[in-house]
Amino acid sequence: EAAVTQSPRSKVAVTGGKVTLSCHQTNNHDYMYWYRQDTGHGLRLIHYSYVADSTEKGDIPDGYKASRPSQENFSLILELASLSQTAVYFCASSDQGGTEVFFGKGTRLTVV
Amino acid sequence: QQQVRQSPQSLTVWEGETAILNCSYENSAFDYFPWYQQFPGEGPALLIAIRSVSDKKEDGRFTIFFNKREKKLSLHITDSQPGDSATYFCAATGYQNFYFGKGTSLTVIP
Repeated sequence: EAAVTQSPRSKVAVTGGKVTLSCHQTNNHDYMYWYRQDTGHGLRLIHYSYVADSTEKGDIPDGYKASRPSQENFSLILELASLSQTAVYFCASSDQGGTEVFFGKGTRLTVV
Repeated sequence: QQQVRQSPQSLTVWEGETAILNCSYENSAFDYFPWYQQFPGEGPALLIAIRSVSDKKEDGRFTIFFNKREKKLSLHITDSQPGDSATYFCAATGYQNFYFGKGTSLTVIP
């Protein structure tokens, strides 16, 4: 069964601190995504990647970096966490020209 | 610009009724429209999807109606059950990136 695993599942970070959210997929998918979910905004695309060692900006990339060191792993990095980045973050994967995006269970990030 | 719009934002129906969730999109190049279902504490999961060459897709109690000319689609949930209470996202894609609407929160009252 397709699987996308996120870690940690929840995190409290201090304003100005560095945060790294990790994602691992066992789907053998080329495409991976990071979405942010906020009440009233739905799912917004932050960064995505279609091949290892390459990342692309999504719709709301400001304040975030991404890293794809291998096909299976995709990280989201907040170099200087801010209060406005408090949200639930979802990692997802799909195959090329895919008809389904498989989501992880999400990471609840609280910046204080 | 919001590529995919959903309405209503929230919807409450009685058990056994039909829930209708609406979606519209901007880009004529979109040709695949999945609906995702999300329960609290979980990630969204694919529920049902339709391609733009079709005008209807059924899967049990879930049916998508698609109007290409008006760039609109709707998800009908017949005989709604309390277990259907969830947030439903309409999405659209033309090549790779998926664009999601803001979601409709459905509550089914027993």
